Amino acid sequence: QKEVEQNSGPLSVPEGAIASLNCTYSDRGSQSFFWYRQYSGKSPELIMFIYSNGDKEDGRFTAQLNKASQYVSLLIRDSQPSDSATYLCAVTATTDSWGKLQFGAGTQVVVTP
Amino acid sequence: DTAVSQTPKYLVTQMGNDKSIKCEQNLGHDTMYWYKQDSKKFLKIMFSYNNKELIINETVPNRFSPKSPDKAHLNLHINSLELGDSAVYFCASSRDTSGRSETQYFGPGTRLLVL
Repeated sequence: QKEVEQNSGPLSVPEGAIASLNCTYSDRGSQSFFWYRQYSGKSPELIMFIYSNGDKEDGRFTAQLNKASQYVSLLIRDSQPSDSATYLCAVTATTDSWGKLQFGAGTQVVVTP
Repeated sequence: DTAVSQTPKYLVTQMGNDKSIKCEQNLGHDTMYWYKQDSKKFLKIMFSYNNKELIINETVPNRFSPKSPDKAHLNLHINSLELGDSAVYFCASSRDTSGRSETQYFGPGTRLLVL
């Protein structure tokens, strides 16, 4: 079983709509959760992180965490063509390995005008 | 510009050769990482150094040897290259590993193709 799972997509979203991306993880002791965006041929860049249950909003992005269900999601409101990219969910393991990020395989998002 | 930089950006080589990839960060970070991203885009950590000390060493063939001459540099040497080593190798850095929200900043990647 993969430690961090995401639907590979592609997720096709009309411009202006909400894109909803999901991520599940297997390690119940996971502490921190990150969403990275990766454009084709480029390096990953951090969008946001979350470590408490509930919602965290940053501009058009909202991360949602449910540790009981081992589930983290990312909502992108008012999707723009520039949001077309692969979104990587990453999870840090237990408290003694903060720096070790486990990445999912990513969800490709395509925003159509 | 402050950033994480890697050289070379592209590396095409024959099987059996030995090659090195260099990484430098001028962000003043204490921790650096090497990741491998395969053709399916799966990004997997290989090594991490904190202040020149190896702290993460994943199950990687011992043909791969990282070296950190100082905390701003982390190099990756690969011996006897194999076809399966073809991938994009990303270097990353973070301020340290002690905070649960430490952001890792990625370099532009080195695209390695082994023929």
